[in-house]
Amino acid sequence: GENVEQHPSTLSVQEGDSAVIKCTYSDSASNYFPWYKQELGKRPQLIIDIRSNVGEKKDQRIAVTLNKTAKHFSLHITETQPEDSAVYFCAASIEDYKLSFGAGTTVTVRA
Amino acid sequence: EAGVAQSPRYKIIEKRQSVAFWCNPISGHATLYWYQQILGQGPKLLIQFQNNGVVDDSQLPKDRFSAERLKGVDSTLKIQPAKLEDSAVYLCASSLDGRAGTDTQYFGPGTRLTVL
Repeated sequence: GENVEQHPSTLSVQEGDSAVIKCTYSDSASNYFPWYKQELGKRPQLIIDIRSNVGEKKDQRIAVTLNKTAKHFSLHITETQPEDSAVYFCAASIEDYKLSFGAGTTVTVRA
Repeated sequence: EAGVAQSPRYKIIEKRQSVAFWCNPISGHATLYWYQQILGQGPKLLIQFQNNGVVDDSQLPKDRFSAERLKGVDSTLKIQPAKLEDSAVYLCASSLDGRAGTDTQYFGPGTRLTVL
């Protein structure tokens, strides 16, 4: 099955700086890569996703890049704000079936 | 639109007891998922339903876990008997049609289970 590894496990950044989280996947057939944000005690919420026919996608301060050859994808958050503090999960799936999640990255934005 | 509903939100039981969780997906969503999220880990898919049929239950410990979605709407997940390692948050999610290529999974608030 698909194996998704996520790094780093924790990330502390100064407010206004950028944050980058990287994930690698094992199954070259994977073609859908969502990112979820989970605040403490709350449900995971989709923040951005990318499909294998696209190399990069942006939504305001959030961007995701995909390198299919290397089988890795990354989340970039620019101009971080305190409300960006949360756990971020990457995931990968084949045709949207069976999302395999990474272990999560705890992001702390220091004011 | 109303989100995915789950109950109870918290449950504390002793090992070897039974427990059941309920999930009501977003109206009109054909696909329903149950995930187990152990503290400090990402969600792990336990079972996926398409309407009232099981699509994938390969990671469901079938000797103690069972799930059903008889009418293709709400679903229950049962653990019998519970073990200490079952302590986790059980998340339900739904999507419009998991077979489609542009589907977002929407998560419920989860049920936090503590097994003593």
